[in-house]
Amino acid sequence: GENVEQHPSTLSVQEGDSAVIKCTYSDSASNYFPWYKQELGKRPQLIIDIRSNVGEKKDQRIAVTLNKTAKHFSLHITETQPEDSAVYFCAAGNTPLVFGKGTRLSVIA
Amino acid sequence: EAGVAQSPRYKIIEKRQSVAFWCNPISGHATLYWYQQILGQGPKLLIQFQNNGVVDDSQLPKDRFSAERLKGVDSTLKIQPAKLEDSAVYLCASSLVVGTGNNSPLHFGNGTRLTVT
Repeated sequence: GENVEQHPSTLSVQEGDSAVIKCTYSDSASNYFPWYKQELGKRPQLIIDIRSNVGEKKDQRIAVTLNKTAKHFSLHITETQPEDSAVYFCAAGNTPLVFGKGTRLSVIA
Repeated sequence: EAGVAQSPRYKIIEKRQSVAFWCNPISGHATLYWYQQILGQGPKLLIQFQNNGVVDDSQLPKDRFSAERLKGVDSTLKIQPAKLEDSAVYLCASSLVVGTGNNSPLHFGNGTRLTVT
């Protein structure tokens, strides 16, 4: 089955700097790669997703890149703000989705 | 659009007791998932329904966990008897379409936080 590794587990950045979170996956058949943001005590919420026929996708300050050959994908957040502080999860698969263990991002004002 | 509804929000039980969680997905979403999220980890799939049929229950501990989705809408997840290691947040999610190359995003409910003492 699919196995997703996510790094780093914690990340601290200064407000305004960029943050990058990386994930690798094992199943070459996986074709859907979403990213979820989870604030303390709240539900995971989708922030961006990418499909295997696309190499990069951007939405304002958030971008995701996918390298299918290397089986890795990354989340990039630019101009970070304190409200970006949360746990971020990557996921990979088709059905079902397999989630990484999460990255706790802290944006320091 | 109303989101995924779950109840209860919190539940505290003693080990060996039983507990049930309820989920109402977003209207029109054919696919429903139950995930277990242990503190500090990512969600782990327990079971996936497509309408009222089970698509994947390979990671459901069937000796103590059961789930059903009668009429293809609401779903219940039951644990009997509970163990200490079942303490976690149980997340229900739903999606519109599932299929090769055509995944729709998962929408999560707020979850039920279960504490087993």
